[in-house]
Amino acid sequence: KAGVTQTPRYLIKTRGQQVTLSCSPISGHRSVSWYQQTPGQGLQFLFEYFSETQRNKGNFPGRFSGRQFSNSRSEMNVSTLELGDSALYLCASSSQGVTNTEAFFGQGTRLTVV
Amino acid sequence: GEDVEQSLFLSVREGDSSVINCTYTDSSSTYLYWYKQEPGAGLQLLTYIFSNMDMKQDQRLTVLLNKKDKHLSLRIADTQTGDSAIYFCAGPNSGYALNFGKGTSLLVTP
Repeated sequence: KAGVTQTPRYLIKTRGQQVTLSCSPISGHRSVSWYQQTPGQGLQFLFEYFSETQRNKGNFPGRFSGRQFSNSRSEMNVSTLELGDSALYLCASSSQGVTNTEAFFGQGTRLTVV
Repeated sequence: GEDVEQSLFLSVREGDSSVINCTYTDSSSTYLYWYKQEPGAGLQLLTYIFSNMDMKQDQRLTVLLNKKDKHLSLRIADTQTGDSAIYFCAGPNSGYALNFGKGTSLLVTP
């Protein structure tokens, strides 16, 4: 069974640009959630999608957005990039959501903003 | 939201047992997780425990849960140099999110 796939693995972008990250969950899983990991703030929740609906959003500015497709693949977009957006972005896949089923993470996308 | 606290650093010698501790505040968590992160990698789910259990053993890993004190621990028996990594405990909140601790860096020395 394939794991959680995140693409691309690495990205370098310039301030002011926008970026789209992709996450393909484990087959059959309908919940995808996204996290930002930085040395200073640790792991912070961005948003969670289940069957194409956003069920919750973390405390991030509106520049951070996401969506989920009918095949459960999810994308997150960051517009008008800032230096502080440099981070490892991780997505988690679970069948029903982390509240009552295990969550498996991808390898992450390392975003560097210069 | 839930606060999850962990000690930041632990050093053990190869072959010894490691015990990583975690405290959490949200008593509604149904699962509590332990993840491992190696340099440059994502999070690997190591093990988890249901909130109605006191203990779970999985090969070299033993998880203990004290619900009264909201304390969770991960014991790694016969620690190896390959166990050197950052370990995170995490608990879900009612908002479909995982609350993570800051992580415990485990260093295993020969």
